[in-house]
Amino acid sequence: QAGLTQPPSVSKGLGQIAILTCTGNSNNVGFKGVAWLQQHQGHPPKLLSHRNNNRPSGISERFSASRSGNTASLAISGLQPEDEADYYCLVWDTSLDAWVFGGGTKLTVL
Amino acid sequence: EVHLAESGGGLVQPGTSLRLSCVGTGFSFDDYAMHWVRQAPGRGLEWVSGLAWNGGAIRYADFVEGRFTISRDNAKNSLYLQMHSLRLEDTALYYCAKDDAFDVWGQGTMVTVSS
Repeated sequence: QAGLTQPPSVSKGLGQIAILTCTGNSNNVGFKGVAWLQQHQGHPPKLLSHRNNNRPSGISERFSASRSGNTASLAISGLQPEDEADYYCLVWDTSLDAWVFGGGTKLTVL
Repeated sequence: EVHLAESGGGLVQPGTSLRLSCVGTGFSFDDYAMHWVRQAPGRGLEWVSGLAWNGGAIRYADFVEGRFTISRDNAKNSLYLQMHSLRLEDTALYYCAKDDAFDVWGQGTMVTVSS
């Protein structure tokens, strides 16, 4: 299946801003809204943002999603220890006729 | 409270079958598309299959290769995944997720395929 590319790991300091990226192509990221999910070790995923920057109720404004061309980004401001988790992007691929996840980025808060 | 609960996982031998179930509560189950997503131990998330609120628009990931069948029974607020010809690589935690927004997830049910 077509891949969505996410950096395997990102490390940032407490209180800093982390920007996580998800690169696809014109059949997925460049065409449809991207969802971002957070997963802590041993827990199910949690939706942070869908259709590029719609946050479900209860999700902090510190999480902000955007898209430019075939790359989607998730910015996490004011990093907290609890932000340390795996982050996945998810999008519908019109050529595959299937949903596709990125490989995930492990965020470490130093 | 919106809640999804999966069941039906277990330890099975290669080539055998298993049926997973997911019950949704706290929302109008028949208003939403539903999905199955899996996660192999230590690996990332992988979409398996999804279907629309009325059981239509069924889609599968390529790796399913005709072995799995997704279905739903809205009268029972339930989603199913019938899996046949299971392979070692199907070993994973299987989650159900609500809607094309994937906004609610269950805790998952573990499927282990081993000889």
